[in-house]
Amino acid sequence: ETGVTQTPRHLVMGMTNKKSLKCEQHLGHNAMYWYKQSAKKPLELMFVYSLEERVENNSVPSRFSPECPNSSHLFLHLHTLQPEDSALYLCASSLGRNQPQHFGDGTRLSIL
Amino acid sequence: DQQVKQNSPSLSVQEGRISILNCDYTNSMFDYFLWYKKYPAEGPTFLISISSIKDKNEDGRFTVFLNKSAKHLSLHIVPSQPGDSAVYFCAARGNTGKLIFGQGTTLQVKP
Repeated sequence: ETGVTQTPRHLVMGMTNKKSLKCEQHLGHNAMYWYKQSAKKPLELMFVYSLEERVENNSVPSRFSPECPNSSHLFLHLHTLQPEDSALYLCASSLGRNQPQHFGDGTRLSIL
Repeated sequence: DQQVKQNSPSLSVQEGRISILNCDYTNSMFDYFLWYKKYPAEGPTFLISISSIKDKNEDGRFTVFLNKSAKHLSLHIVPSQPGDSAVYFCAARGNTGKLIFGQGTTLQVKP
């Protein structure tokens, strides 16, 4: 059983829809991350939260909006996405920014 | 420009033999390196790491070697097992704590 749980596992949405991805960690970690993995590309870091404060935003378009209500939960709110946003979105957590990150199984997102 | 590169997209090895996965990086400021393993439909799983002050770290069948002068690291798996078949990602950590990942190498271990 993974300590980092992501829901939903698969999501198909139209470009005008609004949806949210959810991540929950049960490891007592204090840092959480969103990554994007497109086909044939390395994982790209999108956002980092440390102690519930956003500490990094890697030039991600505003149609992606993260939220970290507490140290165990992380959301990625999606609005007016483009077809090129279709990818695997992975959540990770770590005990401190300098510790190995533990990943969830990802949400496979398809934009029609 | 990619700072972490895994130039071999795939590798096939016979069970029981050694698997060697390679990774090159360009930024000499990276201070920590990690290997992750990923099965289909699952997230990456942390495997082994090495600090830039070391040149070798061993954990069971897995050994990571770091050659700082060549900006190269490698993961050795001995002996290889069919269950090791997966995608392997190397990652490097910069001074902000951010991880930069390579593209991954798909390892197939044949019985």
